[in-house]
Amino acid sequence: NAGVTQTPKFRVLKTGQSMTLLCAQDMNHEYMYWYRQDPGMGLRLIHYSVGEGTTAKGEVPDGYNVSRLKKQNFLLGLESAAPSQTSVYFCASSYKLAGGSQETQYFGPGTRLLVL
Amino acid sequence: GENVEQHPSTLSVQEGDSAVIKCTYSDSASNYFPWYKQELGKGPQLIIDIRSNVGEKKDQRIAVTLNKTAKHFSLHITETQPEDSAVYFCAPKGYNFNKFYFGSGTKLNVKP
Repeated sequence: NAGVTQTPKFRVLKTGQSMTLLCAQDMNHEYMYWYRQDPGMGLRLIHYSVGEGTTAKGEVPDGYNVSRLKKQNFLLGLESAAPSQTSVYFCASSYKLAGGSQETQYFGPGTRLLVL
Repeated sequence: GENVEQHPSTLSVQEGDSAVIKCTYSDSASNYFPWYKQELGKGPQLIIDIRSNVGEKKDQRIAVTLNKTAKHFSLHITETQPEDSAVYFCAPKGYNFNKFYFGSGTKLNVKP
């Protein structure tokens, strides 16, 4: 199993450009998450999904959109990139426990994004 | 949402010493308490977790203790080794909540 993979690993954008980050997992997990990590601030939740076709907002959703058309993929889009979106982006997935909750999160290796 | 604080933000110890990192949380409904380790250039990885019906859990050199009354839980690493150097995060969560709230992280440096 590859686990959680992220594409691309690194990207440089100019202000106003758009891009899509791809997250893929091969563990048949129901839940998927997008986080951003900035120095000294830990991980902040951008958007998440509790199943195929569903998405929800996290702590810092502004400027981002997501889609989960297939269970194994979770896409994060930046429509018009801003320097404030310079960060490291992590995707995570987790399986659904009996009873509907989830615990252990499995993280991808991250995407480093620089917006000039 | 959950208010999570982690202390200290940095911790430097000599190889072989013990290290303790504390996480406080605000939501009394939280009942799952994990610790993640993040090595440089990698994503976080779960190293140990505990549920609210247990007070302590050990796994070789690492342990987690929980004080639900005081709303805090701690990571204990004994006989530290250079490979323990990393950033550690806590992320308490309620059972039926879909969101995890991560602490701001503790950078542990183990000096050989």
